[in-house]
Amino acid sequence: GAGVSQSPSNKVTEKGKDVELRCDPISGHTALYWYRQSLGQGLEFLIYFQGNSAPDKSGLPSDRFSAERTGGSVSTLTIQRTQQEDSAVYLCASRDPNSPLHFGNGTRLTVT
Amino acid sequence: RKEVEQDPGPFNVPEGATVAFNCTYSNSASQSFFWYRQDCRKEPKLLMSVYSSGNEDGRFTAQLNRASQYISLLIRDSKLSDSATYLCVPMDSSYKLIFGSGTRLLVRP
Repeated sequence: GAGVSQSPSNKVTEKGKDVELRCDPISGHTALYWYRQSLGQGLEFLIYFQGNSAPDKSGLPSDRFSAERTGGSVSTLTIQRTQQEDSAVYLCASRDPNSPLHFGNGTRLTVT
Repeated sequence: RKEVEQDPGPFNVPEGATVAFNCTYSNSASQSFFWYRQDCRKEPKLLMSVYSSGNEDGRFTAQLNRASQYISLLIRDSKLSDSATYLCVPMDSSYKLIFGSGTRLLVRP
């Protein structure tokens, strides 16, 4: 079946603009995760959704970052007033209770 | 102490060598463990899952030491195509998955 789908694959934006990144998880996967990976660095946990429970937002680096998951499926990660340090690859992953994480291809964000 | 620690490497080994990496974790409640492989500019892909003391899949063996809170990955008969970054991630009942920063492996001809 289809894997995790992320869009756009690349996004270039000017400093100060808002951006929205989209993630379409594998159908039926109840858990959805967002990570950020800066060049040459590891995966930084941002936020995680599990079913109808309140999301774990403990990894969001500032209040400029927010995410929502509508209808338990598609998720959007929003970054307001982007800064150059926000430039990174944003990875989304999903899983069901009996599976490990499956990652999307990521969105490469460049803030100029 | 970081939740998950890995030696960043790089480990530079010749083809055919055996190489092992360790991953230490701080949460003693971790129940399951996963090794992912990440190629340059690609997303991580699952390599192995470990639910008990260890797992073996061909040239790859993972061993868990709960007392010392580390999990190792052993690669035998290294191939050029094994060159990648290897990430470990433990999982507890919270399902919040924190990755180690990864160990880079370079296999040379």
